[in-house]
Formats: sequence, structure tokens, C-alpha cells
Amino acid sequence: DAMVIQNPRYQVTQFGKPVTLSCSQTLNHNVMYWYQQKSSQAPKLLFHYYDKDFNNEADTPDNFQSRRPNTSFCFLDIRSPGLGDAAMYLCATSERVGTGPAEQYFGPGTRLTVT
Amino acid sequence: GQNIDQPTEMTATEGAIVQINCTYQTSGFNGLFWYQQHAGEAPTFLSYNVLDGLEEKGRFSSFLSRSKGYSYLLLKELQMKDSASYLCAVMDSNYQLIWGAGTKLIIKP
Repeated sequence: DAMVIQNPRYQVTQFGKPVTLSCSQTLNHNVMYWYQQKSSQAPKLLFHYYDKDFNNEADTPDNFQSRRPNTSFCFLDIRSPGLGDAAMYLCATSERVGTGPAEQYFGPGTRLTVT
Repeated sequence: GQNIDQPTEMTATEGAIVQINCTYQTSGFNGLFWYQQHAGEAPTFLSYNVLDGLEEKGRFSSFLSRSKGYSYLLLKELQMKDSASYLCAVMDSNYQLIWGAGTKLIIKP
């Protein structure tokens, strides 16, 4: 089945220790998104890739970086995690926006704990 | 600014009908999505409305009025497994999704 996969599902890191979350997709979608979601809050878009074009949201902290080495994979790097970065991180994909609005397909998420 | 409003929490009885409302103010409109999210899991797509009117899909229906900036999600014949958060999201003129905070639906036997 075509899908969006996130690893790991649960990640524990120490305050200030860099961590990388990964996402892969078999849908061959052009667009990949990273969201941060805290409990009982809306998902907050951090950035998205439109093919290889990187789009950073204005209020995304510099502490968050992303890489997309190919169509299938996308990584979220948190350079120096703080306690406030503990959250669920959601990866999503969608088809190219040029064909009109398209639903986003979400991976299962990675729950990050910062100790 | 862009804003999506939906109730924080609702309670309903198994077998009953519940309507979850969503109002929005966004810069442009390219459709409205409803997603279901169980606790600790990722959102899953329920419906998409871009034209006014009602879209029905099994026990779930979604309604849109663009002139009023209003949508609702109607759930019929509620089951315990419908206990979840329901997120309303609007795609703006830049094809970005603007998300509501979600409505937590509690189903009681």
C-alpha cells in the first residue's frame, strides 16, 4: 500500500542534543510538509518542499532545519532541542498544487520527548 | 489575520447525531477539509468541500457556505470509535492549509 512512513514513532532526546526525524513516502507526491502539533492544538506548519523548492514558514525557529535528498525522503533536524520542542511531529504529502487543491496524507507522527 | 474557529469539545450519545461547526476567515479560499484525529495518532482525511452545499459520505456529511464562511461536519449513528478530535482546515489562496485547533468529540454509551 502506498503510504507515508515516519521513524521513529517515539523519540527521546536530551536538552540541547541534536535529533533527526525521518519521513518517507511511496505516494510519489511532489509536496512534503513538516508540522509540529502540541496537545489539543492545531498542527503548526514548520516548512514544506514543493519538489526541491524549500519553503520556510516565517515563524519557524532557526533551530529547525529540513532536508529532502530525493522525492521519497524528507528529514527534520532539530539542532538544539529545548523543553518547548516536545511535541508530535507530523509529516504529510500532497500532489502538486498546480493541479488544484489536494488532500494531505499524514504519516503516523513522531512523538518527541525532551528530557 | 487568518482564523478558524470551532468548539473545543462536544459530547454526544452513542447512536445519536452530532453537528460540529467551523467558521473561517482566510485570505482566499481553495476548499475546506475535515480531518479526524484519534488521540496520539495522525489526522486522517474525512471530506473536502469547495462548492456550496452538502457532501455525503456514509455516516459522515460535510456542508459548506462560502458566503457565510461556515462549514459543518455531521456525524450520524454515532459509534464509540467516533470519539476523536475533528479538525477543520481551509486552503488559502497560496494553497496552504490553515488549521483549526480541533473539536474533541466525546461519545457516551
